[in-house]
Amino acid sequence: GAVVSQHPSRVICKSGTSVKIECRSLDFQATTMFWYRQFPKKSLMLMATSNEGSKATYEQGVEKDKFLINHASLTLSTLTVTSAHPEDSSFYICSAREGGTSAQFFGPGTRLTVL
Amino acid sequence: SQQGEEDPQALSIQEGENATMNCSYKTSINNLQWYRQNSGRGLVHLILIRSNEREKHSGRLRVTLDTSKKSSSLLITASRAADTASYFCATDNSGNTPLVFGKGTRLSVIA
Repeated sequence: GAVVSQHPSRVICKSGTSVKIECRSLDFQATTMFWYRQFPKKSLMLMATSNEGSKATYEQGVEKDKFLINHASLTLSTLTVTSAHPEDSSFYICSAREGGTSAQFFGPGTRLTVL
Repeated sequence: SQQGEEDPQALSIQEGENATMNCSYKTSINNLQWYRQNSGRGLVHLILIRSNEREKHSGRLRVTLDTSKKSSSLLITASRAADTASYFCATDNSGNTPLVFGKGTRLSVIA
């Protein structure tokens, strides 16, 4: 089946720094990628939808200047958490959809801890 | 935005018992999917049921879908301690929109 990877799997950073998370589709071309956020013992909340070569669409309440999304190629999307704060600590999960299909494939997630 | 609502939010059963989790949603769907997530880990896709299907089986899993009531259930038969995890339903509204997840049910299977 289709494989989506995320890197890093775990990151700890100091408050005020920026962190970049990569999401890659390994064996298919993902025209659309999604970024979700999950707090402990909570469900996944959609943050944004990114289409290759165009600007991401952010969900209401998600700051686009804080969570920068770039989908520069059909196999890579990046989420950059800028000027991270402790409240940004969360589990970030990406998913990718292959062009022409409705199936979404999920990455293993990235645990971000901001000290 | 979240539209799926699972109940119960938490369920604790003995090994060997069956576990039933329910999910309700609000809008029309293309399909509904169930996922499992172990603590601190990624999602594992369990089963997908299309809007024109009423029941689907996969091993010890049985999923039902009632589009008139906008609800689905996931039954795990003969549960095992390894089934301990959170279970989420997710709806696909049109095939072009992202999956929308419910709040999840935390299942604990006690050996």
